[in-house]
Amino acid sequence: DTAVSQTPKYLVTQMGNDKSIKCEQNLGHDTMYWYKQDSKKFLKIMFSYNNKELIINETVPNRFSPKSPDKAHLNLHINSLELGDSAVYFCASSRPPGGAAYTEAFFGQGTRLTVV
Amino acid sequence: DQQVKQNSPSLSVQEGRISILNCDYTNSMFDYFLWYKKYPAEGPTFLISISSIKDKNEDGRFTVFLNKSAKHLSLHIVPSQPGDSAVYFCAARAIQGAQKLVFGQGTRLTINP
Repeated sequence: DTAVSQTPKYLVTQMGNDKSIKCEQNLGHDTMYWYKQDSKKFLKIMFSYNNKELIINETVPNRFSPKSPDKAHLNLHINSLELGDSAVYFCASSRPPGGAAYTEAFFGQGTRLTVV
Repeated sequence: DQQVKQNSPSLSVQEGRISILNCDYTNSMFDYFLWYKKYPAEGPTFLISISSIKDKNEDGRFTVFLNKSAKHLSLHIVPSQPGDSAVYFCAARAIQGAQKLVFGQGTRLTINP
């Protein structure tokens, strides 16, 4: 039973389109994230939600809008797709941050987005 | 400005030998360091971590060493097994309590039989 699942796994779309990537976790975690792995293979955080509230919003174009209908889901909607948005997008979840304690993040399998 | 760097894009090791993966960082405020392992078409999987107050953490065949003065950490895998072939990402926690991870660009480890 998959802990963090993303759909779709592959997405090919034309420039200017609007698309969504869905993410669901069944781990009972309160905190969810979106990371982007670019062409240089760096994984960079985009957003973090804790119990449906946005807590981290990195410098991401406002064409990207995360939506958390409940704490088990964090979807990513992208408007007006551009060629530079092509990347692999990873959803992740963890227990909420607790001061000095760290709890590792569990990642989904990724969504490879190709904008043509 | 890349705060976490893995300068070796790839590493090839003989099965049974030790694999050493290296990672350097620039931000002295990092307080927690992690290694993730990634197979093709899968998400990263947590492997091992170390707090900045320690200099070593061991879990079975995996040991992570932290040298704070040099801002350097390394992952040792011994003995290396073919199933260890994957991309390994070093990551650091940027802000205590915020769970924000800063990742390196990964090192592809290949274990040769």
